[in-house]
Amino acid sequence: DVKVTQSSRYLVKRTGEKVFLECVQDMDHENMFWYRQDPGLGLRLIYFSYDVKMKEKGDIPEGYSVSREKKERFSLILESASTNQTSMYLCASGGHRVGETQYFGPGTRLLVL
Amino acid sequence: ELKVEQNPLFLSMQEGKNYTIYCNYSTTSDRLYWYRQDPGKSLESLFVLLSNGAVKQEGRLMASLDTKARLSTLHITAAVHDLSATYFCAVDKGNKLVFGAGTILRVKS
Repeated sequence: DVKVTQSSRYLVKRTGEKVFLECVQDMDHENMFWYRQDPGLGLRLIYFSYDVKMKEKGDIPEGYSVSREKKERFSLILESASTNQTSMYLCASGGHRVGETQYFGPGTRLLVL
Repeated sequence: ELKVEQNPLFLSMQEGKNYTIYCNYSTTSDRLYWYRQDPGKSLESLFVLLSNGAVKQEGRLMASLDTKARLSTLHITAAVHDLSATYFCAVDKGNKLVFGAGTILRVKS
């Protein structure tokens, strides 16, 4: 069975803290993605990676960075968390084949105080 | 820039009724995806539509794609309470997806 896991379901952090969100997939997918989900805005792509050590900015990369040292693991880093980064963060993975869907993790609800 | 618009954003319907959710997008694409999200849960893939005229059906849901009109529809037939969820369409933009805002569907008994 397809599986994408995220390190935490809920996180509470203070403004200025460094935050790490981890995502692991067991499907040997090349592509991995980080989205944030906010009410009325759908999902917006923060960063994605199409191979180990490769990354590309999505639509809203400001304030975030990513790391992909191993194929199965993709980390999202908030260097200095701010209150406007309070959101639901969803990780997804997908293969290279045309039309292959993305598989999503359970999400991390982050609250920055 | 690719924009994806869904409507309606909120839909309250009675059990047994039919309705359609629309997904319009602004630039050419041949690939469109529908996902379902239950409250507090992650997204689950429903349909992958890969060409003009593609139609997929699963139970009471049917999705279609008209690439010329840049329109996909998700048709609900004889709604049941279990279909209550948020439905997202997403358009392929070169191995990345651009999502609509989502349609919250509530089916009332």
